[in-house]
Amino acid sequence: QVQLVESGGGLVKPGGSLRLSCVASGFSFGDYQMSWLRQAPGKGLEWLTYISALSGSKYYADSLKGRFTVSRDNAKNSLYLQMNSLSAEDTAVYYCAKVGGSDTYFDYWGLGTLVTVSS
Amino acid sequence: EIVLTQAPATLSLSPGERATLSCRASQSVATSLAWYQQKPGQAPRLLIYDASNRATGIPARFSGSGSGTDFTLAISSLEPEDFAVYFCQQRSNGPLFTFGPGTKVDIK
Repeated sequence: QVQLVESGGGLVKPGGSLRLSCVASGFSFGDYQMSWLRQAPGKGLEWLTYISALSGSKYYADSLKGRFTVSRDNAKNSLYLQMNSLSAEDTAVYYCAKVGGSDTYFDYWGLGTLVTVSS
Repeated sequence: EIVLTQAPATLSLSPGERATLSCRASQSVATSLAWYQQKPGQAPRLLIYDASNRATGIPARFSGSGSGTDFTLAISSLEPEDFAVYFCQQRSNGPLFTFGPGTKVDIK
């Protein structure tokens, strides 16, 4: 079965950086687009970034203002999110998700990893 | 950016009743609309994609309809495990994905 397992979350000070990882299993990782999304405590869902199967295309939410970078290593079935210049507004559970067949939805999600930005 | 609105914000129903949730887009998204269910402490789960297609393993009591700007998620007869928050989501050119604010279905 499809599994996505995020890691790398934790407590970081404002202005700091963090790198999240997501390891995939149960499907041919290198054949699918992937995304990162987040959910602030008690809030709704926010899409952050999308990366094509072979990393040729990367897209980001305007709200990130160039602070986040997505990458993937298909040989390791892994997805990454490098987050810089973090602020309290970035406190959230971060999810990786597999993009579904028609490229319009997210059919599998990880359990998420919590990032807390606080001094 | 296409904005999604959901109504109502909260729906209070009893098990066995029918639930009807609405999602409206600020401009046409054709049928590029999905619905998710989220329970406390859990990741969202895909229910419906491309407006009306049930995802793998989703019971037949869940159905989606609509196109353009108006969409509906219906749950024909609420089971105890269906009390949760439901989000709609669209994809527009970019790609750019946005979510609605959610509808909470709680027990009356």
